Parts: sequence; C-alpha cells; structure tokens
Amino acid sequence: QKEVEQNSGPLSVPEGAIASLNCTYSDRGSQSFFWYRQYSGKSPELIMFIYSNGDKEDGRFTAQLNKASQYVSLLIRDSQPSDSPTYLCAVRHGGSQGNLIFGKGTKLSVKP
Amino acid sequence: DADVTQTPRNRITKTGKRIMLECSQTKGHDRMYWYRQDPGLGLRLIYYSFDVKDINKGEISDGYSVSRQAQAKFSLSLESAIPNQTALYFCATSEGFAGTKNIQYFGAGTRLSVL
Repeated sequence: QKEVEQNSGPLSVPEGAIASLNCTYSDRGSQSFFWYRQYSGKSPELIMFIYSNGDKEDGRFTAQLNKASQYVSLLIRDSQPSDSPTYLCAVRHGGSQGNLIFGKGTKLSVKP
Repeated sequence: DADVTQTPRNRITKTGKRIMLECSQTKGHDRMYWYRQDPGLGLRLIYYSFDVKDINKGEISDGYSVSRQAQAKFSLSLESAIPNQTALYFCATSEGFAGTKNIQYFGAGTRLSVL
C-alpha cells in the first residue's frame, strides 16, 4: 500500500514566524510532489510542486525534497493568519499511471 | 467562469435514491478524476478516466459508477445512495502524465448528504 503521511495538526505558529509542514511517502519510485492548500469546505488549490532534490522557492513558500529520506516539506515564511487552511501533500508514485496519492492534510493555525 | 465546473453544489437525498453528480471542464484535459473527502480521511480516489474510452476504478469504487460522455464531461452516479456516502465530492482534471502535466485542478466540489 503506497502511503503519504502528514501530521494532522493543528500546527500552531505565531504571526510572522516560519511554518514548517512535513510529509513522508512510502514509495522510493515517487517522481512528483505537490503541495495544495484547502480552506474549509473549498477545493484544493495548488501552491507548489517539486520534482528534484533540494529547495524550490516561490514567494513566501519554499518546498524542500529529500528523496533519500523520502520526505518533502513546505516552509511558509512570515506566516499570516490568512495562511491558516489545511495543507495537503500529494505524491505521484512510480507506476501509478500518473495518479496522485494525497496525505490527509495538516491544519495550520497562525496566531496574531 | 470556472475551468472545472461541478453540479449540483449541494444535494440532499434519501437512502436508496439514484443520484448523479456532473463535472465539465474547459481546460481541454484528457484526464479526469472523481474523489470523495471525509473529515480526517483526506481525498480518496473513486474513479478516473484517461480518455473517453478509458475508465478505471480507484481506491473506493464500490457503490459508484461513472460515465465519460465526452472529453469535457465526466459524471459520477450513486445507484442507490446510502448514508455513509455523505461526503464532499470533488472532480479534478490533469493534462497528462509527467511533469507539470500531472498537476490536478479541482472543481468547487459537491456537498452530498444522504438521509
């Protein structure tokens, strides 16, 4: 069973701090990694994707991928209360016909 | 206008009724997906389709069926609804298999309640 694991949270950080969200996956053949943001009752919205080991930055967001350790993380700098939805990690495992497997999500809570 | 449109947005139905959820897209993508989301369980794949003639079961297909009427339309049916099918349902599309083509774009969702 190919799995994607996330801490359900809530992860609480003060406003202006760096929020660090982690995701581990079971299949070493995984090739593509995605972070979605989902507000309660709304649809998931893509915020970052990463394919290669290392860091990828986009504005206040940085995705970090370590294939040897099978984890991908999302850093949010200068966290704001509006950054408080649930963050879903999604992984395209090798041989999955391109389908994504989603983690259950981490709820972030940014306190003013 | 939304690129991926789901109808209805909300539906309340009774046990045993047949219900259809519809999804249409203007993104020109070949791949379409149906997920359900329950609190604490994340997104789970029900069915997926890579083109009009290709339909595949996902993780939790029992109790559901689908129809790909055209490249742009993918419908999900509950033949005889039961209360544990109460959930938030999402349709998604993607362009292809690799790289950025693998990004999935979601509709706004259908909230279904089965009484």
